[in-house]
Amino acid sequence: AQKITQTQPGMFVQEKEAVTLDCTYDTSDPSYGLFWYKQPSSGEMIFLIYQGSYDQQNATEGRYSLNFQKARKSANLVISASQLGDSAMYFCAITRGYNKLIFGAGTRLAVHP
Amino acid sequence: NAGVTQTPKFQVLKTGQSMTLQCAQDMNHNSMYWYRQDPGMGLRLIYYSASEGTTDKGEVPNGYNVSRLNKREFSLRLESAAPSQTSVYFCASSEEVAGLSYEQYFGPGTRLTVT
Repeated sequence: AQKITQTQPGMFVQEKEAVTLDCTYDTSDPSYGLFWYKQPSSGEMIFLIYQGSYDQQNATEGRYSLNFQKARKSANLVISASQLGDSAMYFCAITRGYNKLIFGAGTRLAVHP
Repeated sequence: NAGVTQTPKFQVLKTGQSMTLQCAQDMNHNSMYWYRQDPGMGLRLIYYSASEGTTDKGEVPNGYNVSRLNKREFSLRLESAAPSQTSVYFCASSEEVAGLSYEQYFGPGTRLTVT
């Protein structure tokens, strides 16, 4: 069965610095997708970045990049040049089957000025 | 485009009452989903619908029923609410490319309290 582990319940970073949020996964599917979502205190779920298991290059979206290490089954999110508005919960998720998502428990990020 | 909309935003029920959570999307997506999020946890899939007329169970389907009314709308029904169903409920939709689903777009959520 698919499983996502986010080992950091909380992280903090100074504004303008980079931060890495950890995500490891377990799956028996030969093909899968990995997602990161942001949930600010207002509660909505905001898509950040996607990585397909067969993608050769690590995904990037603006200040977000995904450090994908398939052999280690890790998909860490890197946020560069942190901003105060980055303070939120961050969830890693993996596809199960062709379209269901399994979420991790999340990491709460606090950005300090 | 409104994206994914959910009604109501907040609801308080007494144990044993029933209610239906409504969800609609205007992105012409085939797949729709219902999740619940309990405090301090990630989202867990309740039910999903890969296309109009089909529904399937997710991780935590007990106590819920769903209806895919048409391509736009996917409702979640609690027949007899229990305090354990106190949670935030999210509806989502996604499109498929070459048989694979990618980004799921989420609604704003419904905060449900069962007393």
